[in-house]
Amino acid sequence: GQNIDQPTEMTATEGAIVQINCTYQTSGFNGLFWYQQHAGEAPTFLSYNVLDGLEEKGRFSSFLSRSKGYSYLLLKELQMKDSASYLCAAFNQAGTALIFGKGTTLSVSS
Amino acid sequence: DSGVTQTPKHLITATGQRVTLRCSPRSGDLSVYWYQQSLDQGLQFLIQYYNGEERAKGNILERFSAQQFPDLHSELNLSSLELGDSALYFCASSVKGTGVPTGELFFGEGSRLTVL
Repeated sequence: GQNIDQPTEMTATEGAIVQINCTYQTSGFNGLFWYQQHAGEAPTFLSYNVLDGLEEKGRFSSFLSRSKGYSYLLLKELQMKDSASYLCAAFNQAGTALIFGKGTTLSVSS
Repeated sequence: DSGVTQTPKHLITATGQRVTLRCSPRSGDLSVYWYQQSLDQGLQFLIQYYNGEERAKGNILERFSAQQFPDLHSELNLSSLELGDSALYFCASSVKGTGVPTGELFFGEGSRLTVL
Protein backbone atom coordinates (compact mmCIF):
# COMPACT_ATOMS: atom_id res chain seq x y z
CA GLY A 1 0.00 0.00 0.00
CA GLN A 2 0.88 3.62 -0.15
CA ASN A 3 0.19 6.52 2.17
CA ILE A 4 1.35 10.11 1.91
CA ASP A 5 0.62 12.60 4.67
CA GLN A 6 1.15 16.33 4.81
CA PRO A 7 -0.48 19.16 6.77
CA THR A 8 -3.63 20.59 5.24
CA GLU A 9 -2.87 24.28 5.71
CA MET A 10 -0.05 26.60 6.72
CA THR A 11 0.27 30.34 6.97
CA ALA A 12 3.32 32.57 6.87
CA THR A 13 4.32 36.17 6.23
CA GLU A 14 6.29 37.71 3.40
CA GLY A 15 10.05 37.35 3.76
CA ALA A 16 9.75 34.48 6.22
CA ILE A 17 10.88 30.85 5.91
CA VAL A 18 8.40 27.98 5.97
CA GLN A 19 8.92 24.22 6.09
CA ILE A 20 6.26 21.88 4.71
CA ASN A 21 6.60 18.32 5.94
CA CYS A 22 5.62 15.11 4.24
CA THR A 23 5.68 11.57 5.57
CA TYR A 24 5.22 8.62 3.27
CA GLN A 25 4.80 4.88 3.41
CA THR A 26 5.38 3.02 0.17
CA SER A 27 5.93 -0.63 -0.71
CA GLY A 28 8.83 0.35 -2.94
CA PHE A 29 10.64 3.64 -3.28
CA ASN A 30 11.66 5.42 -6.47
CA GLY A 31 11.95 8.98 -5.33
CA LEU A 32 9.95 11.74 -3.70
CA PHE A 33 8.55 14.70 -5.63
CA TRP A 34 7.25 18.13 -4.75
CA TYR A 35 4.85 20.00 -6.99
CA GLN A 36 3.35 23.47 -6.71
CA GLN A 37 -0.23 24.14 -7.72
CA HIS A 38 -1.92 27.53 -7.81
CA ALA A 39 -5.68 27.47 -7.44
CA GLY A 40 -7.39 26.25 -10.61
CA GLU A 41 -4.10 25.72 -12.42
CA ALA A 42 -1.96 22.74 -13.36
CA PRO A 43 0.61 21.35 -10.92
CA THR A 44 4.18 22.28 -11.78
CA PHE A 45 7.30 20.34 -10.84
CA LEU A 46 9.48 21.76 -8.07
CA SER A 47 11.90 19.08 -6.96
CA TYR A 48 12.83 15.42 -6.92
CA ASN A 49 14.82 13.57 -4.25
CA VAL A 50 15.95 9.99 -4.58
CA LEU A 51 18.94 10.06 -2.22
CA ASP A 52 19.03 11.24 1.39
CA GLY A 53 19.93 14.84 1.94
CA LEU A 54 19.12 18.34 0.92
CA GLU A 55 18.64 19.55 -2.66
CA GLU A 56 18.71 23.31 -3.09
CA LYS A 57 17.17 25.24 -5.96
CA GLY A 58 17.15 28.96 -5.41
CA ARG A 59 14.62 29.89 -2.75
CA PHE A 60 13.30 26.34 -2.60
CA SER A 61 15.04 23.34 -1.03
CA SER A 62 13.85 19.78 -0.51
CA PHE A 63 15.10 17.24 2.00
CA LEU A 64 14.71 13.49 2.11
CA SER A 65 15.29 10.85 4.77
CA ARG A 66 14.50 7.42 3.35
CA SER A 67 15.00 5.61 6.65
CA LYS A 68 12.39 7.83 8.30
CA GLY A 69 10.03 8.02 5.33
CA TYR A 70 10.19 11.78 5.64
CA SER A 71 10.65 14.76 3.38
CA TYR A 72 10.26 18.48 3.67
CA LEU A 73 10.07 21.42 1.32
CA LEU A 74 11.73 24.59 2.58
CA LEU A 75 10.69 27.90 1.11
CA LYS A 76 12.83 30.94 1.91
CA GLU A 77 12.22 34.67 1.47
CA LEU A 78 8.53 34.04 0.99
CA GLN A 79 6.66 36.11 -1.57
CA MET A 80 2.95 36.61 -2.03
CA LYS A 81 3.09 34.59 -5.24
CA ASP A 82 4.20 31.55 -3.20
CA SER A 83 0.62 31.26 -1.92
CA ALA A 84 -0.36 27.93 -3.44
CA SER A 85 -0.89 24.28 -2.70
CA TYR A 86 2.26 22.17 -2.34
CA LEU A 87 1.90 18.52 -3.25
CA CYS A 88 4.16 15.74 -2.06
CA ALA A 89 4.22 12.70 -4.37
CA ALA A 90 5.87 9.32 -4.71
CA PHE A 91 5.79 6.55 -7.27
CA ASN A 92 3.45 3.62 -6.77
CA GLN A 93 5.04 0.23 -6.13
CA ALA A 94 5.33 -0.62 -9.80
CA GLY A 95 6.98 2.71 -10.49
CA THR A 96 4.41 3.50 -13.14
CA ALA A 97 2.47 6.40 -11.68
CA LEU A 98 2.93 9.27 -9.26
CA ILE A 99 0.67 9.14 -6.23
CA PHE A 100 0.02 12.51 -4.62
CA GLY A 101 -0.69 13.57 -1.09
CA LYS A 102 -3.71 15.82 -0.55
CA GLY A 103 -1.51 18.90 -0.59
CA THR A 104 -0.65 21.67 1.83
CA THR A 105 -2.29 25.02 1.15
CA LEU A 106 0.17 27.79 2.00
CA SER A 107 -1.12 31.30 2.52
CA VAL A 108 1.45 34.09 2.52
CA SER A 109 0.37 37.42 3.95
CA SER A 110 2.02 40.82 3.97
CA ASP B 1 3.16 26.22 -21.13
CA SER B 2 3.83 22.55 -20.37
CA GLY B 3 3.21 21.42 -23.94
CA VAL B 4 0.32 19.17 -22.88
CA THR B 5 -3.00 20.17 -24.43
CA GLN B 6 -6.39 19.30 -22.99
CA THR B 7 -9.81 19.95 -24.43
CA PRO B 8 -12.36 21.08 -23.56
CA LYS B 9 -11.29 23.48 -20.81
CA HIS B 10 -14.80 23.64 -19.37
CA LEU B 11 -17.75 21.31 -19.73
CA ILE B 12 -21.20 21.49 -18.17
CA THR B 13 -23.54 18.55 -18.54
CA ALA B 14 -26.39 16.76 -16.81
CA THR B 15 -26.49 13.62 -14.70
CA GLY B 16 -26.67 10.43 -16.72
CA GLN B 17 -24.83 11.90 -19.67
CA ARG B 18 -21.52 10.85 -21.23
CA VAL B 19 -18.53 13.05 -22.04
CA THR B 20 -15.13 12.62 -23.62
CA LEU B 21 -12.06 14.52 -22.53
CA ARG B 22 -9.10 14.73 -24.86
CA CYS B 23 -5.39 15.05 -24.20
CA SER B 24 -2.43 15.59 -26.50
CA PRO B 25 0.88 14.86 -24.76
CA ARG B 26 4.13 16.77 -25.22
CA SER B 27 5.88 15.98 -28.44
CA GLY B 28 7.93 12.82 -27.94
CA ASP B 29 6.27 11.77 -24.69
CA LEU B 30 5.02 8.19 -24.75
CA SER B 31 3.16 8.06 -21.43
CA VAL B 32 -0.13 9.69 -20.61
CA TYR B 33 -1.62 9.84 -17.13
CA TRP B 34 -5.11 10.88 -16.09
CA TYR B 35 -5.86 12.41 -12.70
CA GLN B 36 -9.08 13.61 -11.07
CA GLN B 37 -8.99 16.49 -8.63
CA SER B 38 -11.97 17.36 -6.50
CA LEU B 39 -12.00 19.73 -3.54
CA ASP B 40 -12.04 17.13 -0.82
CA GLN B 41 -10.01 14.37 -2.42
CA GLY B 42 -6.89 15.98 -3.81
CA LEU B 43 -5.21 14.72 -6.96
CA GLN B 44 -6.35 11.14 -7.55
CA PHE B 45 -4.57 8.93 -10.06
CA LEU B 46 -6.97 7.29 -12.50
CA ILE B 47 -5.04 5.50 -15.24
CA GLN B 48 -1.81 5.48 -17.22
CA TYR B 49 -1.08 4.55 -20.82
CA TYR B 50 2.32 3.94 -22.33
CA ASN B 51 2.73 3.86 -26.10
CA GLY B 52 -0.86 2.79 -26.62
CA GLU B 53 -1.11 0.21 -23.87
CA GLU B 54 -2.65 0.48 -20.44
CA ARG B 55 0.18 0.42 -17.92
CA ALA B 56 -1.33 1.21 -14.52
CA LYS B 57 -4.76 1.66 -13.02
CA GLY B 58 -5.65 3.69 -9.99
CA ASN B 59 -9.00 4.62 -8.51
CA ILE B 60 -10.87 4.64 -11.80
CA LEU B 61 -14.58 3.85 -11.71
CA GLU B 62 -16.05 1.24 -14.04
CA ARG B 63 -18.15 4.03 -15.62
CA PHE B 64 -14.90 5.62 -16.78
CA SER B 65 -12.65 4.35 -19.53
CA ALA B 66 -9.67 5.62 -21.44
CA GLN B 67 -7.55 4.83 -24.43
CA GLN B 68 -4.40 6.04 -26.13
CA PHE B 69 -4.34 6.20 -29.89
CA PRO B 70 -1.48 5.49 -32.34
CA ASP B 71 -0.69 9.21 -32.55
CA LEU B 72 -0.32 9.08 -28.72
CA HIS B 73 -3.22 11.36 -27.90
CA SER B 74 -5.54 10.01 -25.25
CA GLU B 75 -9.22 10.24 -24.43
CA LEU B 76 -10.98 9.76 -21.11
CA ASN B 77 -14.60 8.72 -21.41
CA LEU B 78 -16.92 9.36 -18.49
CA SER B 79 -20.40 7.84 -18.67
CA SER B 80 -23.58 7.73 -16.56
CA LEU B 81 -22.35 10.90 -14.96
CA GLU B 82 -23.20 11.67 -11.34
CA LEU B 83 -23.03 14.90 -9.39
CA GLY B 84 -19.94 13.61 -7.60
CA ASP B 85 -18.04 13.36 -10.86
CA SER B 86 -17.78 17.14 -10.97
CA ALA B 87 -14.06 17.80 -10.76
CA LEU B 88 -10.99 19.03 -12.55
CA TYR B 89 -9.53 16.30 -14.76
CA PHE B 90 -5.85 16.58 -15.52
CA CYS B 91 -3.80 14.84 -18.11
CA ALA B 92 -0.04 14.58 -17.71
CA SER B 93 2.69 13.16 -19.88
CA SER B 94 6.22 11.91 -19.49
CA VAL B 95 8.74 10.29 -21.74
CA LYS B 96 8.82 6.86 -20.15
CA GLY B 97 6.35 4.83 -18.13
CA THR B 98 8.37 3.28 -15.36
CA GLY B 99 10.80 4.45 -12.73
CA VAL B 100 12.96 6.84 -14.70
CA PRO B 101 15.41 8.92 -12.67
CA THR B 102 13.42 12.14 -12.97
CA GLY B 103 9.94 10.84 -13.66
CA GLU B 104 8.77 14.41 -13.94
CA LEU B 105 5.20 14.71 -15.12
CA PHE B 106 4.08 17.60 -17.29
CA PHE B 107 0.48 18.55 -16.64
CA GLY B 108 -2.07 20.05 -18.96
CA GLU B 109 -4.31 22.91 -17.84
CA GLY B 110 -7.12 20.52 -17.03
CA SER B 111 -10.74 20.05 -18.06
CA ARG B 112 -13.25 21.33 -15.53
CA LEU B 113 -16.35 19.15 -15.56
CA THR B 114 -19.54 20.31 -13.91
CA VAL B 115 -22.39 17.83 -13.65
CA LEU B 116 -25.78 19.39 -12.86
